[in-house]
Amino acid sequence: SQQGEEDPQALSIQEGENATMNCSYKTSINNLQWYRQNSGRGLVHLILIRSNEREKHSGRLRVTLDTSKKSSSLLITASRAADTASYFCATDAGLGGGADGLTFGKGTHLIIQP
Amino acid sequence: ETGVTQTPRHLVMGMTNKKSLKCEQHLGHNAMYWYKQSAKKPLELMFVYNFKEQTENNSVPSRFSPECPNSSHLFLHLHTLQPEDSALYLCASSQGVVSNQPQHFGDGTRLSIL
Repeated sequence: SQQGEEDPQALSIQEGENATMNCSYKTSINNLQWYRQNSGRGLVHLILIRSNEREKHSGRLRVTLDTSKKSSSLLITASRAADTASYFCATDAGLGGGADGLTFGKGTHLIIQP
Repeated sequence: ETGVTQTPRHLVMGMTNKKSLKCEQHLGHNAMYWYKQSAKKPLELMFVYNFKEQTENNSVPSRFSPECPNSSHLFLHLHTLQPEDSALYLCASSQGVVSNQPQHFGDGTRLSIL
């Protein structure tokens, strides 16, 4: 079963508002990453947060991680039309290594209305 | 401008055809990956290569055959595919296979099986 699961599946907001997306996962992790995918394009890495970090910022992005709840959130402040995309969280296999590569959720499709 | 280039961008093939997908990365990375992205499903990891050696085969049917001649090039050879194999195939690379490395994706090959 999938490791990361984003919520909501779709989100439509007005330009200028803040957008919050959540990710829940099942097993312990070492790191969690967020990616963006524009329509017809590949995924673009946004931010990585380690399991010993609680919050991380990058420009208009703010990511939080709560390992006790096995959840993460991605906040985009002052949204722009160009932020319209699908957003995915991805986790590693957890403690002890395991499979190489990342496990992705189904994503949140974000639409910014002008 | 992506450092990972995939060709072709679109491919239509019959179930009895043989074709190959190509991926090239210009980032000096050591690890390369193939993912399958189907509608309404999470991104599925197919194969992982680290320093040209396959380290992961995620129970992929033998009709998909990967090849990694060097750290910069990755191929996915296709033969006798099924309609359910229609999807976006994404290639990615990273500095290593450890989970604290972000992955860089190409824009994918949109594959349609007739």
